[in-house]
Amino acid sequence: AQTVTQSQPEMSVQEAETVTLSCTYDTSENNYYLFWYKQPPSRQMILVIRQEAYKQQNATENRFSVNFQKAAKSFSLKISDSQLGDTAMYFCAFMSVYSGGGADGLTFGKGTHLIIQP
Amino acid sequence: ETGVTQSPTHLIKTRGQQVTLRCSSQSGHNTVSWYQQALGQGPQFIFQYYREEENGRGNFPPRFSGLQFPNYSSELNVNALELDDSALYLCASSLGGYGRGAFFGQGTRLTVV
Repeated sequence: AQTVTQSQPEMSVQEAETVTLSCTYDTSENNYYLFWYKQPPSRQMILVIRQEAYKQQNATENRFSVNFQKAAKSFSLKISDSQLGDTAMYFCAFMSVYSGGGADGLTFGKGTHLIIQP
Repeated sequence: ETGVTQSPTHLIKTRGQQVTLRCSSQSGHNTVSWYQQALGQGPQFIFQYYREEENGRGNFPPRFSGLQFPNYSSELNVNALELDDSALYLCASSLGGYGRGAFFGQGTRLTVV
């Protein structure tokens, strides 16, 4: 079974700063997907960014980028020019490719509560 | 907005009762999955439906069951409610597998008293 670990329960930074959230995972598989989801107080999980394990290039989406280190099984999220609206819980998630289209579902970490201070 | 809608948004039930939660998936998405999120935790996978068939299940007992309809909407049924079933229940839809990411609804907050 896969596990996902987020070692930072809470982080706080000033608006406009850059912040990096950590995520490590454990799997014996070679091909999989990794995701970062954001969950604001409205509760809806919002997909921030995704990474395919067979792609070496790190994914980027505007102010959000990842540092994917496959050998180290590390998948950190960097948020540049942080904004007040970035305040939320952030979850790292793993999905196996071999489970027939996600039939094992997403495995989530416990989350990091990110607070952006004005 | 993801186009995934869940109802109701909040629900209070008594231990031992049964509950049905509903989810309308994003247009064109044929796969629906359900997650349970306890307070302060990440979501836990309950099961997934693809074209009206359950094709994946997490570590949840049989009293958690579901349905998917021809229009790809879905229900989660929980029988014999226990206090530990109190949680946020999230529905997610995707097209086929999760490769492009699953898109979540706003959840149903279930409280069992």
